[in-house]
Parts: sequence; structure tokens; C-alpha cells
Amino acid sequence: DGGITQSPKYLFRKEGQNVTLSCEQNLNHDAMYWYRQDPGQGLRLIYYSQIVNDFQKGDIAEGYSVSREKKESFPLTVTSAQKNPTAFYLCASSIVVQGQPQHFGDGTRLSIL
Amino acid sequence: SQQGEEDPQALSIQEGENATMNCSYKTSINNLQWYRQNSGRGLVHLILIRSNEREKHSGRLRVTLDTSKKSSSLLITASRAADTASYFCATDNDYKLSFGAGTTVTVRA
Repeated sequence: DGGITQSPKYLFRKEGQNVTLSCEQNLNHDAMYWYRQDPGQGLRLIYYSQIVNDFQKGDIAEGYSVSREKKESFPLTVTSAQKNPTAFYLCASSIVVQGQPQHFGDGTRLSIL
Repeated sequence: SQQGEEDPQALSIQEGENATMNCSYKTSINNLQWYRQNSGRGLVHLILIRSNEREKHSGRLRVTLDTSKKSSSLLITASRAADTASYFCATDNDYKLSFGAGTTVTVRA
């Protein structure tokens, strides 16, 4: 079955620690996205990538970093500079054609210890 | 930036009733998409309507788009308990989606 796998499902971060969230897709999609969702709110775009070895900042990129070394993988690092990292993080992918739906993983919930 | 705003924020209906939710947006769009999110899960794409379309159907879903009013509506007919979820509209511009805060729908058995 094709899809997007996010891991881990739950993650805990200590103060001053960087943590990396994994996102893997086997849909052969060129574009991948990272979103942050806070309780009762919509999704806010953190970073996106339309091709390997290239990515762009979204609306709330500060305190986050990404890499896109492989088409299938788009890991997100939440750095210690992100002062309020507690949230639900969602990864998505799509083909790079206007008006195509995005396919989402089941998210990683990050909490602060 | 979040462009879409859904209304109402929450909706509670009896099984078998229809559920209607609305989405307003601010700038011109290429298309508008609706997604569903079950609690603690990722989003699932429901339907896409292009800016030159006025209405679209998919099973029990009906979406309308009024570009002059910058608004869209999603109607779920004959609701079921399994329709309990949050519903989000997303506007598509420049290959990125901007999501609203969502409408939480509860279907009572």
C-alpha cells in the first residue's frame, strides 16, 4: 500500500534538545510538506520541498530545519531555538501540479518534558 | 498564513440529518479543497473544486464555490456516526495550501 509514514507517533523533548521527526513516502511524489497543528487550530506550513536537495520556508520556519536528500524522505528537526514546540506535526506529499490533493501521514505529537 | 475561515466552529447533529459548514477566504484562488481529520489522525482529502466551477458532488458530499463572495460550503447529507470529525477548507495558490481553523462535527446516534 502506498502512503506516508511518520515516526515516532509520540515524542518528548527536554529543554535545550534538538529532536528529529521522520517522514517517509512511497507515493513517488516530488513535493513534500511539514505542517504544525495546535489545538483547535488549522495547519500552518513550516517547510516545503518540491524537488530533492531544495526546500523553502513556510509561514513559521523559525526554530525548525529540514533536509531533502532523497525523494522519499523529508525529516524535520525541531531545534532548541523553537521555544514552544509542543504541537501535532503533520507531513504531507503531492505531485507538483496545480490543484492536486495532498496526502497526509498520521502525525507526530511532540511534548516537552 | 491562514486564509480560510470556517463557520461554525462546531456543529452537533443527529444521525441522518444534513451538516453544512462554510468557508470564507480573502484573496483570489486557483481552487479550494476540503479535508477531513479524525481525532489524532492525519487529514484526508475529500473534494476539490476549481475556481471556474460552482458546484461539485462526491457521494454524500456537495461543495459549492462563490468566487464573487469568496466563500465555499460543504454539505454532508444523511450523516452517519462515522462522519464525526473536523473538516477543513484549504485554498490553493502557488502550489501551497492555506488551511482554515476547521469545523468540528459531532454526529449523535
